[in-house]
Amino acid sequence: DGGITQSPKYLFRKEGQNVTLSCEQNLNHDAMYWYRQDPGQGLRLIYYSQIVNDFQKGDIAEGYSVSREKKESFPLTVTSAQKNPTAFYLCASSIEGTRHQPQHFGDGTRLSIL
Amino acid sequence: GQNIDQPTEMTATEGAIVQINCTYQTSGFNGLFWYQQHAGEAPTFLSYNVLDGLEEKGRFSSFLSRSKGYSYLLLKELQMKDSASYLCAVLDSNYQLIWGAGTKLIIKP
Repeated sequence: DGGITQSPKYLFRKEGQNVTLSCEQNLNHDAMYWYRQDPGQGLRLIYYSQIVNDFQKGDIAEGYSVSREKKESFPLTVTSAQKNPTAFYLCASSIEGTRHQPQHFGDGTRLSIL
Repeated sequence: GQNIDQPTEMTATEGAIVQINCTYQTSGFNGLFWYQQHAGEAPTFLSYNVLDGLEEKGRFSSFLSRSKGYSYLLLKELQMKDSASYLCAVLDSNYQLIWGAGTKLIIKP
C-alpha cells in the first residue's frame, strides 16, 4: 500500500541532544512538509521541500534542520537549539508543490523531553 | 494577522446532523480544505472548496462563502466513528496553508 511512514512513533530527547525523525513516502510525491502540532493550536509549518535537494523554511524553522537527498525521504532533525521541542510532529506529502493538491499525512511522531 | 476560527469542541448524537463552522481572515484566498483527524493519528483529507457553494460527498458536505470568509462542514447520519477533530485550513495569496486549531467532535449514543 502507498503511504507515508513516520518513525519512531514515540521519541524521547535528553537535554542538549539532537534527535532525527524519519519520514518516508512511496507515493511518488514531489512535495514534502514537516508540521508541528501543539494542543489548542493549528498545525505550524517547520520546513517544506518541493523538489529533491531543495527545501525552504516554514514559519517556525528555528532549532530544526532537514535534508532532501532522495525523493522518498525527508528527515527532520530537532537540534538542542529548539528549547521547547515537546510536540506531535507530522510529515506530509503532496503530488506537487502548488498547494492546491491535498496533503497526505503520516501517523506522526510524539517527541518528549526526559 | 491571519486568523482561522473554529469552535473548540462540539457534541452531537449518533444518527443526527452536525455543522462545524470555520471563519477566516487571511491575506488572499486560494481555497479551503477540511481534514479529519482521529486522536493520535494522521489527518485525512475530506474536501477542498475554492468556489462558493456546497460540495457534497456522501454523508459529508462542505460549504464556502468567500464574501463572508466562512465555511462549514456538514456531517449527516452521524456514526460513532465520526468522533474526531476536524481541521479547517486556508490557502492564502502566497499559497501558504493556514490551519485552524481544529474542532473536537464528540458523538454520544
